[in-house]
Amino acid sequence: ILNVEQSPQSLHVQEGDSTNFTCSFPSSNFYALHWYRWETAKSPEALFVMTLNGDEKKKGRISATLNTKEGYSYLYIKGSQPEDSATYLCAFGNEKLTFGTGTRLTIIP
Amino acid sequence: DTGVSQNPRHKITKRGQNVTFRCDPISEHNRLYWYRQTLGQGPEFLTYFQNEAQLEKSRLLSDRFSAERPKGSFSTLEIQRTEQGDSAMYLCASSGNNLNQPQHFGDGTRLSIL
Repeated sequence: ILNVEQSPQSLHVQEGDSTNFTCSFPSSNFYALHWYRWETAKSPEALFVMTLNGDEKKKGRISATLNTKEGYSYLYIKGSQPEDSATYLCAFGNEKLTFGTGTRLTIIP
Repeated sequence: DTGVSQNPRHKITKRGQNVTFRCDPISEHNRLYWYRQTLGQGPEFLTYFQNEAQLEKSRLLSDRFSAERPKGSFSTLEIQRTEQGDSAMYLCASSGNNLNQPQHFGDGTRLSIL
């Protein structure tokens, strides 16, 4: 059984502040680590697919890092905006993705 | 660019009834996945297809669940004799052959069993 854990479970951040959260996953038999953003009543939106140890990816104000040897990835959001409010999910695997329970982020205007 | 389409968006039914959901993937994608998400949990893998072949099926999928993708395009997920525990969001995703690319998800079908 694969365990993918995310922390914190929920987070309230003041608009304009930066924040980050963690995804931990099994360090053996690594294939890929996916990050998704899921807003209420919408479909999960793919942010990043990370495959190499030391990978850093960036999309606008959002970036992610990957450490496959110790089994963790960080997602960073710089200068939070209200539209960043969503649940952020990480998932581990290739075809069959194992998801964490998500970090629910609320940006306070 | 049409994304992954799922129908219906919501389904409310009485316990014991059969339900069927449909997923239309992105047209050039040959891989199609079904996941289920319950409150407070992340999506859980149910099954996936490469073209019309069903390649893996989770132990979560009891005998009451069946999925098909007869022509390698759209897929259906049927639940027979529904139970209250089947209430969940059923998500479909599709991808191409490059597994370093993301799976693209539909909006899901929310199933409520009365």
